[in-house]
Amino acid sequence: NAGVTQTPKFQVLKTGQSMTLQCAQDMNHNSMYWYRQDPGMGLRLIYYSASEGTTDKGEVPNGYNVSRLNKREFSLRLESAAPSQTSVYFCASSESAYGGYTFGSGTRLTVV
Amino acid sequence: AQKITQTQPGMFVQEKEAVTLDCTYDTSDPSYGLFWYKQPSSGEMIFLIYQGSYDQQNATEGRYSLNFQKARKSANLVISASQLGDSAMYFCAMREGRGDSWGKLQFGAGTQVVVTP
Repeated sequence: NAGVTQTPKFQVLKTGQSMTLQCAQDMNHNSMYWYRQDPGMGLRLIYYSASEGTTDKGEVPNGYNVSRLNKREFSLRLESAAPSQTSVYFCASSESAYGGYTFGSGTRLTVV
Repeated sequence: AQKITQTQPGMFVQEKEAVTLDCTYDTSDPSYGLFWYKQPSSGEMIFLIYQGSYDQQNATEGRYSLNFQKARKSANLVISASQLGDSAMYFCAMREGRGDSWGKLQFGAGTQVVVTP
C-alpha cells in the first residue's frame, strides 16, 4: 500500500541511550516532516525537509537531529534520550507546501 | 502564540445527532489552508476535510462540512448524523502560505468526541 512507513512502532529506551526513527514514503513527495504528539498539546513540528537535501528546525527541535537520506527517507535521531522525549512520533509527507499531507502510523517512544 | 485554538477538550454526542467542533485560528497571511484530522484510538491520523483561504464555498466531504467564517477566523467542523465510529480525537490544523510557517502544519490541542448509543 502506498503511504508513509515508520519503524519501529514501539520502543522503550533508557535515559542516555540513542536511537533513530525511520520514515519512508513511496508517493514521490518532496516534503517530509517529523511531529511529536503529547497529551493535551496536539502535534508539534520537530524538523522538516522541504525537499531532498534540505532540512530545517520546527517548533521543538532540541534534542533531535534529522537526515534526509534521499527523496524517500527522512530519519529522526535522538542522540541521548531523556524522559521528556517520551511521546508519540509521527512522520508525514506532502507533495509540496500546498499539497495534502499523509501521515505514518506513528512510533510510541518511552524513555525510562 | 497559539495559532490554532480548539476550546472544547471533550464532548459527548448521541448517535444520529449532528455535532459542531469549534476551531479558531490566528494568522495575518492572506494565503492559508485549514485542515481537520481524525485520530481514532488506534492512533493514525486520518484526513477529513480541507478549506483554502480563497475558497468561496464551504468545503464538504460526505458527512463532514466545514463552516468557514473568514472574518471571524473560524473553521468549525460539522459532523452530521453521528455514528459510533466517529468517536475519536479531532484536530484542526493550519498551513500558512508565507514566512517562517510556509508549508508547515500547525495543530490545535484537539477535541475528544464520544458518540453514545
